[in-house]
Formats: sequence, C-alpha cells, structure tokens
Amino acid sequence: QQQVKQSPQSLIVQKGGISIINCAYENTAFDYFPWYQQFPGKGPALLIAIRPDVSEKKEGRFTISFNKSAKQFSLHIMDSQPGDSATYFCAASYHEKLTFGTGTRLTIIP
Amino acid sequence: NAGVTQTPKFRILKIGQSMTLQCAQDMNHNYMYWYRQDPGMGLKLIYYSVGAGITDKGEVPNGYNVSRSTTEDFPLRLELAAPSQTSVYFCASSHSRTGVTEAFFGQGTRLTVV
Repeated sequence: QQQVKQSPQSLIVQKGGISIINCAYENTAFDYFPWYQQFPGKGPALLIAIRPDVSEKKEGRFTISFNKSAKQFSLHIMDSQPGDSATYFCAASYHEKLTFGTGTRLTIIP
Repeated sequence: NAGVTQTPKFRILKIGQSMTLQCAQDMNHNYMYWYRQDPGMGLKLIYYSVGAGITDKGEVPNGYNVSRSTTEDFPLRLELAAPSQTSVYFCASSHSRTGVTEAFFGQGTRLTVV
C-alpha cells in the first residue's frame, strides 16, 4: 500500500521554466509534509515543508501548494536552474515517521 | 559539525554473510531511522528508534535487526545477506518537535549482495 503517490517519475524543464511535481496522500492523520532534494551520491536534504493548516508556503524560488480536501500537495520551482537538477521526494509525516513518495528525477536543460 | 555519519560507504557481501552498518549522529537527536532506497521505489523505512533502548519496525524490517544502546549510535545488522538486500541504505536522525520532522540524512551505504 503506497500511502504517498508522486508524479511524474521524471521531468525535463528548460532553464528559466517552472518545474511542477505532484503528490497525493491517503492517510488524513499525516500532519507535516516536507520535500527533500537529493543529489547523486548524497543523502536527501530537507528543501521546504508545510503544515496542513496552511495552503501555500514559499521560500525563494520554491513553493509548496497544499490542498487538504483533495489530499494533494505540489512543489513548484520557479525560474528553474541547472543547479536544481536532482531527485525530489515528497513525504508525509505522522508521529515523527516519514513516508516518502517514489521520487522525481528533475533535469534542467539550457 | 559532522551531523549523521555512516560507515562503510560501500560494501560487497556474499550471500549468507552478515554485516553491521554503522550510524552515528552528534546532534543529540532522540529519533533515528534506517531507510533503504531502491531505484524508482523511494525510501522505505526499515526500523526506527525514539530514544536509547527503544526501537520499532518500519515498513520493511524482515532480514534486519537494530539496537540503540546510546543516543548517538543506531547500527543496522544484516543477518544471512540475500540479493534482495542489495540497495542503498540511509540513516537519518531528527529532533522530536510536535508536528515537525526535519530528518537529517547520512551520505548512505551502497551494499551489493552477490
């Protein structure tokens, strides 16, 4: 049973464009929704996170949009740069246990 | 500022061998986790610990064991290694704060079972 579904599996975006990654969850008890960024050969690192009582959170070029009624949340990367090329994981947390999506490999092309 | 340190970084095991993956954190975090990462599958929780002396199973615990004798260390033991355990293993830690789980990950251990 996959509790957090992530799409797309891979994404190619031109430099300067908007990258959008979507996630959907099933367990309404989840109370914290982070996004992690992972570069090859490295461990995931927290990028941005949101609580379910907020519909949007923005940090620089990264924005999380959260739709509690639809049980969906998404990551938007504005003005995408080659340095943003990485694998992105959405996650959901309950009682300090993180459940991860399957990941999106993002490639930013010139 | 070491954060979460995993050793070894790479290891090749023969089927049936056993080994221990080491994990240590210096942030005084009470929560620690072991995940495995397989291509296209995301990260799956193997075991976790909410403090010294307390461990619990995650989503995929079969074939693994853990112990937590100190706050800093959380080793993962593989008994009777099988090819299905070929994966990249990540240890993580977090500080318990209500509604916030910022997990800090180590650099991973790439394990191949042949």
